[in-house]
Amino acid sequence: QVQLVQSGGEVKKPGASVRVSCTASGYTFTSYDINWVRQATGQGLEWMGWMNPNSGNKAYAQKFQGRVNMTRNTSISTVYLELSSLKSEDTAVYYCARRRTKGYIGPRREREYSFDYWGQGTLVTVSS
Amino acid sequence: QSVLTQPPSASGTPGQRVTISCSGGSSNIGSNTVNWYQRLPGTAPKLLIYTNNQRPSGVPDRFSGSKSGTSASLAISGLQSEDEADYYCAAWDDSLYAYVFGTGTKVTVL
Repeated sequence: QVQLVQSGGEVKKPGASVRVSCTASGYTFTSYDINWVRQATGQGLEWMGWMNPNSGNKAYAQKFQGRVNMTRNTSISTVYLELSSLKSEDTAVYYCARRRTKGYIGPRREREYSFDYWGQGTLVTVSS
Repeated sequence: QSVLTQPPSASGTPGQRVTISCSGGSSNIGSNTVNWYQRLPGTAPKLLIYTNNQRPSGVPDRFSGSKSGTSASLAISGLQSEDEADYYCAAWDDSLYAYVFGTGTKVTVL
């Protein structure tokens, strides 16, 4: 069965960097984009960006430009999220999620974009 | 800040029908498909509805989605205690070039 397993929780000081891993199994790793989503306590879900594990192509939400980097290691079916210059506001649970499919639907060519499998989440705590 | 607006809360008694609205704009809901996620306490979000009204395998048919113009809605019929969770709508936004989530709605079963 499809699984996304993330690395364990992290505690970091402000200004530091953190790297979270997401290891996929149960499907062809290079066939589906991986996205990252976070949720701070009491807040809603926030999309951070996506990566194509096959090509290495990626794109980030504007809010995180310059601070985020997504990489992958295809030999171990793993995608990494690295976030730098951490602030207390970055304290959140970080999720990786597999994009269900790519493409456009219907005569109006609506973009289909959804996540069918999620990792268990990684709590990153930023505190001095 | 979220660009998709949902009511913060909704509630109903077991067996009732509950509807959650999601209001967006021409660059997101108006142009792309809408999805709904359920987040049970302490768990990762789960895809509930994709492509406006499609249910993934295993999702009960009590859950249904619809879209009209720049708004969408999720209906839960025959509300059950295990439906108590947070629900989020989402869609791609062509102007932001980003995937945007709704503000979230907490459903309480009375």
